[in-house]
Amino acid sequence: AIRMTQSPSSFSASTGDRVTITCRASQGISSYLAWYQQKPGKAPKLLIYAASTLQSGVPSRFSGSGSGTDFTLTISCLQSEDFATYYCQQYYSYPITFGQGTRLEIK
Amino acid sequence: EVQLVESGGGLVKPGGSLRLSCAASGFTFSSYSMNWVRQAPGKGLEWVSSISSSSSYIYYADSVKGRFTISRDNAKNSLYLQMNSLRAEDTAVYYCARSNSGSYWFDPWGQGTLVTVSS
Repeated sequence: AIRMTQSPSSFSASTGDRVTITCRASQGISSYLAWYQQKPGKAPKLLIYAASTLQSGVPSRFSGSGSGTDFTLTISCLQSEDFATYYCQQYYSYPITFGQGTRLEIK
Repeated sequence: EVQLVESGGGLVKPGGSLRLSCAASGFTFSSYSMNWVRQAPGKGLEWVSSISSSSSYIYYADSVKGRFTISRDNAKNSLYLQMNSLRAEDTAVYYCARSNSGSYWFDPWGQGTLVTVSS
């Protein structure tokens, strides 16, 4: 199985900050990567697919990049509603696997 | 509006069985692959199983293979997960999620149904 490793696992930031979350795959996955946001008690929400394609309705302050094994999710200007947990997911091959999550907290 | 609504969760004893359902609406159910993803309390997301639009292709995580069975009824716009030989480690919120055939990112997700395996 392809292992997905996110970093950091958690961190604190302030509204208005630019933040970057990294996701690394244990083997090359081309651009078969998605990012999700999850808030407490809620289902995950798709933000980005194909590594860099913004899902319809997602604010443009979210962006994704990378291919192969190294990927990033960037939030250009944090808003209060962005404090949540973020997951990457590879869909290059079965079993589909997720990163362990990155919890973004308010500083 | 695209909507997925799970049901069937509850408390079950170890070794017991449970059948989850996911009712889909707002889209042509028979054109999409469907999936189950679970999340243990306080933990991350774990993919469980996927089924193609016509049920031709089915995949399972190793952790549930041989115990869980995914199925769908396109006439009823419904997805199912039959869970047998349940273990404490199967305790989780179970989400159903839609994906395009050949592009297995998940969108949207249902609200989830909680399965608790405990004596």
